[in-house]
Amino acid sequence: DAGVIQSPRHEVTEMGQEVTLRCKLISGHNSLFWYRQTMMRGLELLIYFNNNVPIDDSGMPEDRFSAKMPNASFSTLKIQPSEPRDSAVYFCASRGTAQTGPQHFGDGTRLSIL
Amino acid sequence: KNQVEQSPQSLIILEGKNCTLQCNYTVSPFSNLRWYKQDTGRGPVSLTIMTFSENTKSNGRYTATLDADTKQSSLHITASQLSDSASYICVVTHTGTASKLTFGTGTRLQVTL
Repeated sequence: DAGVIQSPRHEVTEMGQEVTLRCKLISGHNSLFWYRQTMMRGLELLIYFNNNVPIDDSGMPEDRFSAKMPNASFSTLKIQPSEPRDSAVYFCASRGTAQTGPQHFGDGTRLSIL
Repeated sequence: KNQVEQSPQSLIILEGKNCTLQCNYTVSPFSNLRWYKQDTGRGPVSLTIMTFSENTKSNGRYTATLDADTKQSSLHITASQLSDSASYICVVTHTGTASKLTFGTGTRLQVTL
């Protein structure tokens, strides 16, 4: 069975541009998490969806960030406008219906804002 | 404040040797603690999960321990292999809020010949 699929794997763009990161969940999973990872701060939860509904978005840095789940198997994280300090690796993870179950991570999108 | 601290920050060992990674947490109320392995350029993968009542859990050459009284966990790797080179991240979940995870910043392990 395919794991969590993220695209693109790498993105380099100039500041001010819109960036869209994509994530396909594992089939049957109903929870979706977006994370940002940097050397200084490690993994930080940005937003958590359950059954397509945003449950906790307290980690979203500011209004420039937005996330959606247009359907049960797909999510996007958008940054508009992007800034150099947004440079990081962005991971999405999905989880099955058991709330204590493991999160399954994608391989991330390495984002560089010049 | 809920925090998870890991030590050492980085570690280099020879292939075949054992090592132990530490995780101290102040998360409360506690639900469970997971150790994740993250290979370079990949996402984290869960190794073990431990709940309040569990002291030890093994996954192959990986053995995790938990002392809920002192709020400490360790991950012991036996007979290390080159493929164990990775970052190991300790993650603690808060009771009743399954989305509320507190992550450690990880221990970077390098296994050399």
